[in-house]
Amino acid sequence: NAGVTQTPKFQVLKTGQSMTLQCAQDMNHNSMYWYRQDPGMGLRLIYYSASEGTTDKGEVPNGYNVSRLNKREFSLRLESAAPSQTSVYFCASRQGLNTEAFFGQGTRLTVV
Amino acid sequence: GENVEQHPSTLSVQEGDSAVIKCTYSDSASNYFPWYKQELGKGPQLIIDIRSNVGEKKDQRIAVTLNKTAKHFSLHITETQPEDSAVYFCAASPGGTYKYIFGTGTRLKVLA
Repeated sequence: NAGVTQTPKFQVLKTGQSMTLQCAQDMNHNSMYWYRQDPGMGLRLIYYSASEGTTDKGEVPNGYNVSRLNKREFSLRLESAAPSQTSVYFCASRQGLNTEAFFGQGTRLTVV
Repeated sequence: GENVEQHPSTLSVQEGDSAVIKCTYSDSASNYFPWYKQELGKGPQLIIDIRSNVGEKKDQRIAVTLNKTAKHFSLHITETQPEDSAVYFCAASPGGTYKYIFGTGTRLKVLA
C-alpha cells in the first residue's frame, strides 16, 4: 500500500537549472497538492488540482508550474531554479472536500 | 483569502502534563478543521479532525474543540508522553474551495 510516492527524495541543483518533481498516488483520490516547507514557515501551498484536468494557484506559485498528468500523477516543475527555492517539497492527495490529506515523504531540494 | 494562525510556535511540557495548541482562521465559511503530526524526516499525518457541525471531538488522549463564533479551534493532548514530541499543524479548508491552508506549526517537546 504505497499511498503517495514522491521522486526524487533528494536533489541538488545549480542556479538556473530546471527540474521536475514527480508525485503519484494509488488511492484514487480526486485532489492533489504541492507544498513547500521552510523552517518556521509551516507548509505553504504552491499549487493544487481539485480534480483531473484542473489546476489552481496556491499561496506561493511564482517560479513553479504544475501538470496534472492523469488522476494518479501531479508533477511540479521549476523552470529556472533559484536559491530561494531551497526547501522541502511535499505532495499530498485527498478524496475531496472536508476529507483527510495524505502526504508523501517529501523531496529535499537544495539550489546552489 | 484564508489565513490560519497557530500558537505557540514552541511548547515544552513535563511528561504527564497537558498540552494545548490553538489556531484561528479567517474565512467564516470554513467547515473542516484537521490537526496533523509531523515526525522528523516524514510527511504530516492526520491525528484528529472536526467538522463545523460539532463543537468537540475526542480520541483517547487527544481532543479538538471548535468555536465557530470566535473562529478558533484547539488541540488538547492529555497525559503527554515522550513519543508525543513532534511538530503539530492545524489546517483549514475554506468553504466551497479545494484549497487546504496550514498553520505555521508548533514544536512540542515532552520532557521526561
